[in-house]
Amino acid sequence: LAKTTQPISMDSYEGQEVNITCSHNNIATNDYITWYQQFPSQGPRFIIQGYKTKVTNEVASLFIPADRKSSTLSLPRVSLSDTAVYYCLVGRPGSSNTGKLIFGQGTTLQVKP
Amino acid sequence: KAGVTQTPRYLIKTRGQQVTLSCSPISGHRSVSWYQQTPGQGLQFLFEYFSETQRNKGNFPGRFSGRQFSNSRSEMNVSTLELGDSALYLCASSPGGQAFFGQGTRLTVV
Repeated sequence: LAKTTQPISMDSYEGQEVNITCSHNNIATNDYITWYQQFPSQGPRFIIQGYKTKVTNEVASLFIPADRKSSTLSLPRVSLSDTAVYYCLVGRPGSSNTGKLIFGQGTTLQVKP
Repeated sequence: KAGVTQTPRYLIKTRGQQVTLSCSPISGHRSVSWYQQTPGQGLQFLFEYFSETQRNKGNFPGRFSGRQFSNSRSEMNVSTLELGDSALYLCASSPGGQAFFGQGTRLTVV
């Protein structure tokens, strides 16, 4: 399972776009990149998942360069409620390791008014 | 569709006791995983069950065990509780892609 590296913390202000980059140099060919969000004393919540190029949903965008050794989660116009810890994970959906998620330290995003 | 349900939400136990936590996955999900979250160690994988069989196991002592029933509901048991077992225990179910987490059980060992 590929190891991921993210910044420990980031600060932003309401209304700004936030980009969190994750490094995963040893990503395997069949691995996908998944981001989760966690609020204090709650379980992580799935945000977005992608394999290559760009994926967008109603809450975020995920940018993955051609070499796939990194990825960037983009949160448009953050609000105070986006203050949370964000985790980047890599793995192969549907494989026998799908249920074994290895979380790194995550990135603590603090959104200020 | 109902989410992942964990019971109880909060629990206080005495050192040396044992505890059983319960997790009801989303209907149709056959994979159930358990995680321990502490301020010092972060989110750590305990084990995963798939179709009543343990499919993956993390690096935890044998005091931590689990099982899964035919309806995919899962339980985890911790015997001989230690103070360091105080943590948020999270359960996640998966259909094979993303994982869906429950709210967790906050265990305090005194």
